[in-house]
Amino acid sequence: GNSVTQMEGPVTLSEEAFLTINCTYTATGYPSLFWYVQYPGEGLQLLLKATKADDKGSNKGFEATYRKETTSFHLEKGSVQVSDSAVYFCALKRGGSEKLVFGKGTKLTVNP
Amino acid sequence: EAQVTQNPRYLITVTGKKLTVTCSQNMNHEYMSWYRQDPGLGLRQIYYSMNVEVTDKGDVPEGYKVSRKEKRNFPLILESPSPNQTSLYFCASSGRTTYQETQYFGPGTRLLVL
Repeated sequence: GNSVTQMEGPVTLSEEAFLTINCTYTATGYPSLFWYVQYPGEGLQLLLKATKADDKGSNKGFEATYRKETTSFHLEKGSVQVSDSAVYFCALKRGGSEKLVFGKGTKLTVNP
Repeated sequence: EAQVTQNPRYLITVTGKKLTVTCSQNMNHEYMSWYRQDPGLGLRQIYYSMNVEVTDKGDVPEGYKVSRKEKRNFPLILESPSPNQTSLYFCASSGRTTYQETQYFGPGTRLLVL
């Protein structure tokens, strides 16, 4: 079946540090891949997405590249800020379906 | 402003007392869905709807019901809540014609069943 595996958290970084959150997936066909962010007390917001192999999604300084050969979609940011503290979810959606399959989430805390 | 609204945002109830969590979207989306979020488990889909009067089970449908009588509304019904349904619930919607393939999420409903 379809599944998403994220690195377990929590992750604690100092401001301006480099961030990587690993995400790998198992899916039939060619899924679309997403990163969602959940700030404290809020719902989920789409952070970035990629719909085919080698696509790079980017937003707010975050990037992730769809790697079909390694079935991965790792989230990166070169210099994190305190305001990036949140829970990050990797997710996939198979073609022809609207269903999102989520990873378990990774909590990021950035200290000043 | 495009949005998904849920009500109530917070709810404390007792075992067996029927409750309904409402969800409404203003984007004319065909697809709507309910998820629950639990620590260490991420988000799991409860039910979804592809359009009016078309609903189907997700991964964890036991103990829940839904209806889709109008395109904009997709209420979640707990006929006889139990403590294991204590969770954070999210409604989401997306449009099949939306090029962006983005699902929009509501702000969440935190439910405590005593």
